[in-house]
Amino acid sequence: EIVLTQSPDTLSLSPGERATLSCRASQSVSSSYLAWYQQKPGQAPRLLIYGASNRATGIPDRFSGSGSGTDFTLTINRLEPEDFAVYYCQQYDSSPRTFGQGTKVEIK
Amino acid sequence: QVQLQESGPGLVKPSETLSLICTVSGVSISSYSWTWIRQPAGKGLECIGRIYRSGSTDYNPSLKSRVTMSLDTSKNQLSLKLSSVTAADTAVYFCARDALLWAFDYWGQGTLVTVSS
Repeated sequence: EIVLTQSPDTLSLSPGERATLSCRASQSVSSSYLAWYQQKPGQAPRLLIYGASNRATGIPDRFSGSGSGTDFTLTINRLEPEDFAVYYCQQYDSSPRTFGQGTKVEIK
Repeated sequence: QVQLQESGPGLVKPSETLSLICTVSGVSISSYSWTWIRQPAGKGLECIGRIYRSGSTDYNPSLKSRVTMSLDTSKNQLSLKLSSVTAADTAVYFCARDALLWAFDYWGQGTLVTVSS
């Protein structure tokens, strides 16, 4: 199975700053079948990005995704208070679908 | 508006079978694939498996021997059964729509299942 490793585990930032989250795959994720989700306490994950760089419906343009192959990045420009949460990357190129361990973006 | 709602017992005894239902509204389950994911408290997300609109399945090898998924198109529901549970199966269980190119685009709110005697 494809193992996804996210870094850093925790990112401490202030509102208005930029967050850069990394996701590295143990083997190439073809066709950029890489997604990013946001999860807040007590809630289900919410799809942010699919196909490595496409924003899901209703997602603000301060969220952007990039990358290909084994290295992917989620960037959040100008952090808003509601953006402090845990973020997961996921590959859906091969079975089983796998998630990274998550990056927590916390208020500094 | 697509909505998913998980339901089932919140407490299951060790060695017994965990059974959950996911009721889907706003779309026919025959039109998409569906997946089950679980999350132990304070931990990450694990895909249990998925069921295609044809009814064929694709289970995570780590759970394959204990998992059964099915569709009930008359009720627009999908079901999950996990047999021989242990405390390690205690988690929040989510169902989600597997929209292929569009990843998991709709999720239920999740249901906590605790395995304990």
